[in-house]
Amino acid sequence: NAGVTQTPKFQVLKTGQSMTLQCAQDMNHNSMYWYRQDPGMGLRLIYYSASEGTTDKGEVPNGYNVSRLNKREFSLRLESAAPSQTSVYFCASSEGDTQYFGPGTRLTVL
Amino acid sequence: AQSVTQLDSHVSVSEGTPVLLRCNYSSSYSPSLFWYVQHPNKGLQLLLKYTSAATLVKGINGFEAEFKKSETSFHLTKPSAHMSDAAEYFCVVSGKTAGNKLTFGGGTRVLVKP
Repeated sequence: NAGVTQTPKFQVLKTGQSMTLQCAQDMNHNSMYWYRQDPGMGLRLIYYSASEGTTDKGEVPNGYNVSRLNKREFSLRLESAAPSQTSVYFCASSEGDTQYFGPGTRLTVL
Repeated sequence: AQSVTQLDSHVSVSEGTPVLLRCNYSSSYSPSLFWYVQHPNKGLQLLLKYTSAATLVKGINGFEAEFKKSETSFHLTKPSAHMSDAAEYFCVVSGKTAGNKLTFGGGTRVLVKP
């Protein structure tokens, strides 16, 4: 039981490049989330998916898209990366109101 | 709307002494409250959760938190700090809305001195 897994662990992009962050959970949870973490700001919600087939915007959705591929997988896409998107990205899943987090992806945009 | 304020961005304690991390929240309804811990370059781990069953909540690794509705506080304590407690701690409130969205405090970084 791996919990929540994320790939890649680290990534460096140039401004304007695109990439997709992958997340998978093996706990059979309905809800999944993407957050970004910046110093002194805690975690901020980018997008979430309350169930398979649905996605909704969170607090900071601009510049991102998501896909809930199936119940297990929830991906985050940056179409045209900007330096302001340099951050650590966390995926989480939940059943009820307790969320379980992945190990994170550290993204640097030059 | 809801919000969380962690009153100290940094806390420094000596090993073996008590730890107190302060958190105040604002919520329109009876919230679920959480404390998470993040060790360096790691993900977030759930320490404990309050859901109205009891005002004193015991968590992992000797931590506990007390919910005080009159003070809208949910402070985290540990009687005796260990070197392994050096980490960042987040107080979190659940929105009990569609998607059970969480609102995070800004975090408190704990330094434990030998």
